[in-house]
Order: sequence, then C-alpha cells, then structure tokens
Amino acid sequence: DAGITQSPRHKVTETGTPVTLRCHQTENHRYMYWYRQDPGHGLRLIHYSYGVKDTDKGEVSDGYSVSRSKTEDFLLTLESATSSQTSVYFCAISEVQPSPVYGYTFGSGTRLTVV
Amino acid sequence: GQQLNQSPQSMFIQEGEDVSMNCTSSSIFNTWLWYKQDPGEGPVLLIALYKAGELTSNGRLTAQFGITRKDSFLNISASIPSDVGIYFCAGQPLYNNDMRFGAGTRLTVKP
Repeated sequence: DAGITQSPRHKVTETGTPVTLRCHQTENHRYMYWYRQDPGHGLRLIHYSYGVKDTDKGEVSDGYSVSRSKTEDFLLTLESATSSQTSVYFCAISEVQPSPVYGYTFGSGTRLTVV
Repeated sequence: GQQLNQSPQSMFIQEGEDVSMNCTSSSIFNTWLWYKQDPGEGPVLLIALYKAGELTSNGRLTAQFGITRKDSFLNISASIPSDVGIYFCAGQPLYNNDMRFGAGTRLTVKP
C-alpha cells in the first residue's frame, strides 16, 4: 500500500458540531487533496495542498477548511456540520500535480454521517 | 468547469461477458486515467493515457485516449466476479492542473 491512512474510518455527528478528519501519509509527497464522493457526482475536490501551510480551494469548498502544518498530515475541518455534508471523504496524495505517471493515490475513505 | 460525462451509470453482466464504458467531455484533455473502486475502499489507478489515439492494456483491461482528446473508453474482456466495483474516468484538462472525475460506472458481474 502507498502509506496513506485516513481517520476515523466512520463517524456519526450531530448537526452544528465541528468535525475534523485526518489524512496521514508516509510517502513524503508534496500534494495532498480532499475529495468528497456522493452518488451521481463522482469525486469532487474540496481543498488541496501544495506544501506545508500552502492550501487552495477546490470546486466544493464552502463549509470546509483545511490545514497542513506538516508534510505528512492534512486535516479537513467542518466548522459546523450540516446534513448536506453527509458523504464519503477521500484523501489523495501525489508527488507531482497531477502525477502524469501514477495519478493520485487514494486513502480508504471516511464515511461521515451528519444527523 | 470541464465536466466529464461517464456512461453507462451501471451495468449488470454475466461472468465471461465483455464490458465497455466511456467518458466524454466538451473540452480537450491532456491526460485520461481510469480508476477502479472496490466497496469500502478508495479508487485505485488501472490505466493512464497521455497521447491522443493511445491504446493501452493492463491484463484484461484496455483503454484508449480518443483522437479528438475529448473522450476515452475502457474495455474489460471476459469479466470475472472480482471485476465488480465502480469504475471512474478522470482527466486533466488542457490548460488546467485540476483532475476531473466522471460520476462512475457501477459494474455488477453475475456468476
């Protein structure tokens, strides 16, 4: 495996509560991404990072923030969770953006349910 | 943004049959990738294509980068039960560093 882990794997939270998802990599890759996966939409980019403390928004960034204080960790925070944020969240890494040879390497996902 | 249209949305086939799925875009893409996602896991890269007209195989899988650079297809020959999963196309648009994903094709293989 590529050395990318997501935690937690499953989480149920209440509307209005803050939630943080963690992505940890051991590959020392520069680029890290957060996607959400919803039926009929495939994978949509939330935020990405191109280095420590360097992040940028993706196409569905509203309601989400990210932080990257170390190369190996990329955190996704829902400041105040809403039911529309119920989804499966995937972290991905790449050495080059986007890697022309290997594409992205994905984690196993975090299934988040907001009730 | 440049959207990818992937079809069909789902397929139910008998073991041993061949499968074909495709992805189209209204814009030109530099790179086409095909991923497979097993239940409960993240997508895994199957095939990457970098030149218009390129035809690449990976075992029973064959993918092609369309000549117009606006489409790609994936074929699976002689399907087996472990081919079950969701197949995603992904592409890098011509003047953009983003990676765009199709909505996926859910494949079910009946033994």
